[in-house]
Amino acid sequence: AQSVTQLGSHVSVSEGALVLLRCNYSSSVPPYLFWYVQYPNQGLQLLLKYTTGATLVKGINGFEAEFKKSETSFHLTKPSAHMSDAAEYFCAVSDQGTYKYIFGTGTRLKVLA
Amino acid sequence: GAVVSQHPSRVICKSGTSVKIECRSLDFQATTMFWYRQFPKQSLMLMATSNEGSKATYEQGVEKDKFLINHASLTLSTLTVTSAHPEDSSFYICSAAQEPANYGYTFGSGTRLTVV
Repeated sequence: AQSVTQLGSHVSVSEGALVLLRCNYSSSVPPYLFWYVQYPNQGLQLLLKYTTGATLVKGINGFEAEFKKSETSFHLTKPSAHMSDAAEYFCAVSDQGTYKYIFGTGTRLKVLA
Repeated sequence: GAVVSQHPSRVICKSGTSVKIECRSLDFQATTMFWYRQFPKQSLMLMATSNEGSKATYEQGVEKDKFLINHASLTLSTLTVTSAHPEDSSFYICSAAQEPANYGYTFGSGTRLTVV
């Protein structure tokens, strides 16, 4: 069975500092991996996804993530945090048989002025 | 880009009544829609998968008679919470896919249900 672990339910960074949100997955088959952002009382917005090909994936709003098979990781980074990045971030892995997403428990990012 | 409209965004209802939540794909045909439930400060829990023209597939532990899902057209799926109770209060989110294999899922903006 597939699973996703997000280390750190809360992460605080200063404005302008590096953002690093961690995601590790478990999958017996090559995974499809995703990062989503959720603002309060809103749905989810896709930041980026990895399916095949280049392991460094660039997404919207300056975010990127690198698929590391050897480490079963898909950490999300952004070189310089902005106040508007404060939100909940979810990592997800797909079930390729059913196309369902399996979400991690989420990481709330706080950006300090 | 693909847009999914979810309505209403907020609803308050009395215990024992039913509430219907709509999920519409505005600019594409959605062969598959997913319904999620999110508890405060928690992750999304998949409730069911609905495919146009067929019965929904419910996840283990989800009461199909309580959470009625209908996907009558390629642009509309509805979730009806029947005989709602306070413990049904939650944030419900739908997502839609034109081609599931492409993982182009678009999420609705969610519905905050409060049962009093």
